[in-house]
Amino acid sequence: SQQGEEDPQALSIQEGENATMNCSYKTSINNLQWYRQNSGRGLVHLILIRSNEREKHSGRLRVTLDTSKKSSSLLITASRAADTASYFCATAQGGSEKLVFGKGTKLTVNP
Amino acid sequence: DAGITQSPRHKVTETGTPVTLRCHQTENHRYMYWYRQDPGHGLRLIHYSYGVKDTDKGEVSDGYSVSRSKTEDFLLTLESATSSQTSVYFCAISGAGQYNEQFFGPGTRLTVL
Repeated sequence: SQQGEEDPQALSIQEGENATMNCSYKTSINNLQWYRQNSGRGLVHLILIRSNEREKHSGRLRVTLDTSKKSSSLLITASRAADTASYFCATAQGGSEKLVFGKGTKLTVNP
Repeated sequence: DAGITQSPRHKVTETGTPVTLRCHQTENHRYMYWYRQDPGHGLRLIHYSYGVKDTDKGEVSDGYSVSRSKTEDFLLTLESATSSQTSVYFCAISGAGQYNEQFFGPGTRLTVL
């Protein structure tokens, strides 16, 4: 069963705008990761945030984690057409060597 | 890209035939994973390995078996393919399991007729 659920399922914005995607999960986690998948390609790791962290930045990416609400958000600032992709959150639970992926948010950035 | 390849990249087969997909890595990573990706389901774990000859089941392991006889190769076998196994299969590797990022291969598109 899916641990993470992304919201929205699809998002369409104009170049230059910010894009925000959310992920909710059900059980306690050790860390949460975000991945990007371009059409027809494998997933690419973007960022990892640990359960004791609240916010993390990487370039134009900002990730927040609220363990009390069991939710995370991924913000992409000043989006570009090249950001068009599907974005997945994945959670790592205690005692497990596995990640559980959500179903993804499909982001379209229009030039 | 991390040194991870999958073969074949595309395969069409008939129901009831055996199929083996290969994942090969050059990173010497301990953990290897097989996922399938289907519309509406996202990415689901089939099997994973935490070392040579050490494997465990994932969420959707029925109808699949795996083997890992050396660090660099992780094989996924469909003993008797069914149409429900039509999917895109991804292999991933990780140096430290959940505590580290996973690197994904390019995927294998399998069609079972």
